[in-house]
Amino acid sequence: AQSVSQHNHHVILSEAASLELGCNYSYGGTVNLFWYVQYPGQHLQLLLKYFSGDPLVKGIKGFEAEFIKSKFSFNLRKPSVQWSDTAEYFCAVRNTGRRALTFGSGTRLQVQP
Amino acid sequence: NAGVTQTPKFQVLKTGQSMTLQCAQDMNHNSMYWYRQDPGMGLRLIYYSASEGTTDKGEVPNGYNVSRLNKREFSLRLESAAPSQTSVYFCASRGEGAVGGTQYFGPGTRLLVL
Repeated sequence: AQSVSQHNHHVILSEAASLELGCNYSYGGTVNLFWYVQYPGQHLQLLLKYFSGDPLVKGIKGFEAEFIKSKFSFNLRKPSVQWSDTAEYFCAVRNTGRRALTFGSGTRLQVQP
Repeated sequence: NAGVTQTPKFQVLKTGQSMTLQCAQDMNHNSMYWYRQDPGMGLRLIYYSASEGTTDKGEVPNGYNVSRLNKREFSLRLESAAPSQTSVYFCASRGEGAVGGTQYFGPGTRLLVL
């Protein structure tokens, strides 16, 4: 069965620090990869997605992610976080044989001013 | 466009009561989904519907039923609520246009079963 691992459950950073959140998945075939963000009290919003092509994907609000096929990874990065980035971040994977997404358990990011 | 809407926003039930969570989308999407979100577990798929008239079980379907009433609406029913069903429920929809497609989520329904 397909699974998604997010190893950092809770990350605390100061403003302007750099961010990298890990995401690894288990499926060996063709996948579509997503990062969603959930701000406190809100629903999930898409940050970025990878379907094919350039493995470095840029999303909204200065976020980017790199797909490394050999490592089954899709890590999320941001060079300089802001207090407004405080949220929970979910990595999700969809293989081409399924219609639904498989989500990781989420990483709670707390940015201190 | 309102996107994906869900009602109610919050509900308290007693064990054994039933209720239906409503979801509607105005993006003309074929696929719709119900997830539950529990602390430390991310989102888990309950049921999905690839098109009007079809539904399939997801990862955690026990205790739930669904109805794809038409292309816009996809409801989730709890026939006899249990405390283990205390959770936040999200509905999502996905179009077929782009390869892979992006799921768009509703605002969620927070359910407490006492």
